[in-house]
Amino acid sequence: GAVVSQHPSWVICKSGTSVKIECRSLDFQATTMFWYRQFPKQSLMLMATSNEGSKATYEQGVEKDKFLINHASLTLSTLTVTSAHPEDSSFYICSAPQVGPRTDTQYFGPGTRLTVL
Amino acid sequence: QKEVEQDPGPLSVPEGAIVSLNCTYSNSAFQYFMWYRQYSRKGPELLMYTYSSGNKEDGRFTAQVDKSSKYISLFIRDSQPSDSATYLCAMSKGAQKLVFGQGTRLTINP
Repeated sequence: GAVVSQHPSWVICKSGTSVKIECRSLDFQATTMFWYRQFPKQSLMLMATSNEGSKATYEQGVEKDKFLINHASLTLSTLTVTSAHPEDSSFYICSAPQVGPRTDTQYFGPGTRLTVL
Repeated sequence: QKEVEQDPGPLSVPEGAIVSLNCTYSNSAFQYFMWYRQYSRKGPELLMYTYSSGNKEDGRFTAQVDKSSKYISLFIRDSQPSDSATYLCAMSKGAQKLVFGQGTRLTINP
């Protein structure tokens, strides 16, 4: 299957700082990528859809000024958590879709564990 | 009511048993159905993918979709301790945005 990478795999930061997470599709191009967060023992919650060359689309309740998304190229999307607070501590996962005739699947990155002190 | 319902478990079975995991959904517009496996502190890994109704088999895994009943299943034969993970069902209408079930935590006991 397709490969999606994320960097860093984990990060610890102080409250009030900003953290950038990268998501790359390694062997295919993705005009769209998705960002999720996952709390312990819970399912994935879609935060936003990252669109190459245009603004991201945020899900209801997600602060666009806090979670900045930039889809810089067909293989790279970044999520910046600005002015992070302890309640932002979570597991952030990106995905990239592969779409074709009768195909609509997503491949996920390994995730980034963010801990805000 | 959630769009996708999945029993969170936990489910514990002995090694070698057949495991049955299920999801129900309410939106008849879903056409693409997926099962993901997620190990602790890792991203989800695509296991099975099915378009519309029918069965699909891949090694020890079989996925079934019954659109008339809005019910999907994943069967694991000859279960192994390495199959211990959380299994997430997911589905979409074709616009790429996935809707996930809550995930079922599965433990295979040696």
